[in-house]
Amino acid sequence: DAGVIQSPRHEVTEMGQEVTLRCKPISGHDYLFWYRQTMMRGLELLIYFNNNVPIDDSGMPEDRFSAKMPNASFSTLKIQPSEPRDSAVYFCASSPSTGRLRGFGSGTRLTVV
Amino acid sequence: DQQVKQNSPSLSVQEGRISILNCDYTNSMFDYFLWYKKYPAEGPTFLISISSIKDKNEDGRFTVFLNKSAKHLSLHIVPSQPGDSAVYFCAASYNNNDMRFGAGTRLTVKP
Repeated sequence: DAGVIQSPRHEVTEMGQEVTLRCKPISGHDYLFWYRQTMMRGLELLIYFNNNVPIDDSGMPEDRFSAKMPNASFSTLKIQPSEPRDSAVYFCASSPSTGRLRGFGSGTRLTVV
Repeated sequence: DQQVKQNSPSLSVQEGRISILNCDYTNSMFDYFLWYKKYPAEGPTFLISISSIKDKNEDGRFTVFLNKSAKHLSLHIVPSQPGDSAVYFCAASYNNNDMRFGAGTRLTVKP
């Protein structure tokens, strides 16, 4: 079975540019989560979707961050404009409605210079 | 608002000895706790979990202990192996939606 698939694996961009991170959840999973990993705060929940609908985006740091889930098999996290402090590893995860286990993707390492 | 805390950023143990990773939480509503393991350049993978109705769960070399009164859980790895070297995240939830993670502890097992 395919796990959560994220792309790209690495992204290096200049400050001010738009960045789009992509995620394909595990087939059949109703929930999709976006996390950001930093040294200081560990894994922070940014936003999560249930059945493609955003449920809680209180973790999104600023209006520069936005996320969409146009269908059950695809989600994007967009940062516009990007700033150096956005540099982190961004993880996508999914889970079924009946369980508490999350399957994680391999992450996107974002570097904003 | 760090509801789940892992106060030790790193831990180093000798192969064959016990590794003990600790985690504290503040929200008494949490009723399910998990440990995830993360290797470099990979996403976290589920390791072991425990429900709040239990105080211990064992799976092979891994045992998780829960002390609800102290709002504390720990992961014991016995015996530790070099392949256990990774970052370990503690997580807690009270429904499927809201799962909070700690900052992680980097475990190094020396041969």
